[in-house]
Amino acid sequence: GQNIDQPTEMTATEGAIVQINCTYQTSGFNGLFWYQQHAGEAPTFLSYNVLDGLEEKGRFSSFLSRSKGYSYLLLKELQMKDSASYLCAVRLSQGGKLIFGQGTELSVKP
Amino acid sequence: GAGVSQSPSNKVTEKGKDVELRCDPISGHTALYWYRQSLGQGLEFLIYFQGNSAPDKSGLPSDRFSAERTGGSVSTLTIQRTQQEDSAVYLCASSSGSNQPQHFGDGTRLSIL
Repeated sequence: GQNIDQPTEMTATEGAIVQINCTYQTSGFNGLFWYQQHAGEAPTFLSYNVLDGLEEKGRFSSFLSRSKGYSYLLLKELQMKDSASYLCAVRLSQGGKLIFGQGTELSVKP
Repeated sequence: GAGVSQSPSNKVTEKGKDVELRCDPISGHTALYWYRQSLGQGLEFLIYFQGNSAPDKSGLPSDRFSAERTGGSVSTLTIQRTQQEDSAVYLCASSSGSNQPQHFGDGTRLSIL
């Protein structure tokens, strides 16, 4: 079976840094994706890691360790608009379908 | 259009009726996916089309669910004899290839009474 774990919810303060962890155990691996989803809206693509290491994109960074089955999404200089659900997803080796975690609901407080 | 377009945005129907959900992918995208998201749950893969290859139907929950993609573009997801547990948001995504990021539409919110 496929298993992707991430915390259900997190709270952080505006201007701070927050790290959202994701661990996975899947039958294959061909990349890990992070999506942001505001309530009632479509998920939007944030980042993609297929090799070990850190990918940086503005205020967002994502890290991957394939040997540990572990990834994190780092959000810097938090803004109120960053309050959303953050979805971790693994693309299996076969085909392009994504297996999603349950999502982490992030609340940013003033 | 600029993004993935889904219709209708909301659908309310009675248990036992058939429903059709439509997805218009980003122009030129060869890969198309259907997922569903139940209240408080993660996204669940349903079906995947890539070019002219046979679709990956491994996520369809029962034989009441089917999908087709005509002309390599628009896709229709059909649910026959709907049940209350089919109530969910049905999301469509497309990508320019199976190794590229998927871009999602706004979804169809399906409510079965």
